[in-house]
Amino acid sequence: DQQVKQNSPSLSVQEGRISILNCDYTNSMFDYFLWYKKYPAEGPTFLISISSIKDKNEDGRFTVFLNKSAKHLSLHIVPSQPGDSAVYFCAARGPNTGNQFYFGTGTSLTVIP
Amino acid sequence: GAGVSQSPRYKVAKRGQDVALRCDPISGHVSLFWYQQALGQGPEFLTYFQNEAQLDKSGLPSDRFFAERPEGSVSTLKIQRTQQEDSAVYLCASSYGGVQPQHFGDGTRLSIL
Repeated sequence: DQQVKQNSPSLSVQEGRISILNCDYTNSMFDYFLWYKKYPAEGPTFLISISSIKDKNEDGRFTVFLNKSAKHLSLHIVPSQPGDSAVYFCAARGPNTGNQFYFGTGTSLTVIP
Repeated sequence: GAGVSQSPRYKVAKRGQDVALRCDPISGHVSLFWYQQALGQGPEFLTYFQNEAQLDKSGLPSDRFFAERPEGSVSTLKIQRTQQEDSAVYLCASSYGGVQPQHFGDGTRLSIL
């Protein structure tokens, strides 16, 4: 039972444009969300997080938006750069999930120079 | 400072053999997690330690899987009588605890022949 879903397995964007990666979740108790970036043969690297008391968190070119009523979050990358090409995972946890983080299946982003 | 270190990076074993995977977390991190990542999937939670205490092992798929962290630092994930379905990347992550982001190692790619 996939509690965190990333329905787009891949995304291609032109360099300089905006990349929007989407993530949906089913557990309404989730209150903390993270995005990770993963290059081949490396472990995931933490990118940005957001707690459920906020609806937006920004860090440089990266912004995460949270829509609790829709159980949806998105990661915006502006402007996209070729070095952003990687697999992006969203993850979530909540007070009823113990210490477990639930991960989506990932979206492979390709930024075309 | 050093990140999370995992060894070996690659492990090939014959079905039925026992394997041991090692994780050196970031110094000072009290929380340690093990994940299993199958091809094309996101990381799936296996088990969680707070210092030397294994507080959650609900994700371990069978009693062939065993994890320990005897001194609250290095952790070992052991898989007994390996099966082909155990083939995956095994990721270790550590954090200061709570809602602090997890930092991942590069994983051990396990292949069971």
